[in-house]
Amino acid sequence: DVKVTQSSRYLVKRTGEKVFLECVQDMDHENMFWYRQDPGLGLRLIYFSYDVKMKEKGDIPEGYSVSREKKERFSLILESASTNQTSMYLCASSLRREGPYEQYFGPGTRLTVT
Amino acid sequence: AQSVTQPDIHITVSEGASLELRCNYSYGATPYLFWYVQSPGQGLQLLLKYFSGDTLVQGIKGFEAEFKRSQSSFNLRKPSVHWSDAAEYFCAVARYGGSQGNLIFGKGTKLSVKP
Repeated sequence: DVKVTQSSRYLVKRTGEKVFLECVQDMDHENMFWYRQDPGLGLRLIYFSYDVKMKEKGDIPEGYSVSREKKERFSLILESASTNQTSMYLCASSLRREGPYEQYFGPGTRLTVT
Repeated sequence: AQSVTQPDIHITVSEGASLELRCNYSYGATPYLFWYVQSPGQGLQLLLKYFSGDTLVQGIKGFEAEFKRSQSSFNLRKPSVHWSDAAEYFCAVARYGGSQGNLIFGKGTKLSVKP
């Protein structure tokens, strides 16, 4: 089974802090994704990556950056956390760049910025 | 622009009753469609997918979905709901071209199950 793990289930940070959310997948997937999930808004794509050191903006990249130094790991970075970034963050991966393939999701990180 | 609409925000059904969750998509060609389920506090789990072929697709946990091109719909069904089916359900479509495997998600339907 594909396993996608996220470094924290719950995180509380202060406004202005730099925040790192880590995601690791164990199935040699090429694609990795970061979403945020808010009530009534569903899932919105922040960034995705189809290869090491490659990244593409999703629908809501403002205030976020990403890093993919190794194929299995995809990090989401909040350079200066703000209260409007309080949300559930979901990481996902899928097999190859030439899709479509189903995405496999991690358990999520619930981030609270105070 | 492509979109996915789940018209029902919240549905309540009695345990043992049948269930149908609606999903409509906007896309001209044959879409690639997915249904996911999210239990409280968890990530999303794939229930089923449609890429081509038989328009009635079977998934896990006793769910099925039917692709209807004429109605641009991909509704999820289950003949008899169990209390453990209470969760949020998301319909998704692959973005046009699908070259990076990106999905567009609906806003979800929350299912409550009455005993």
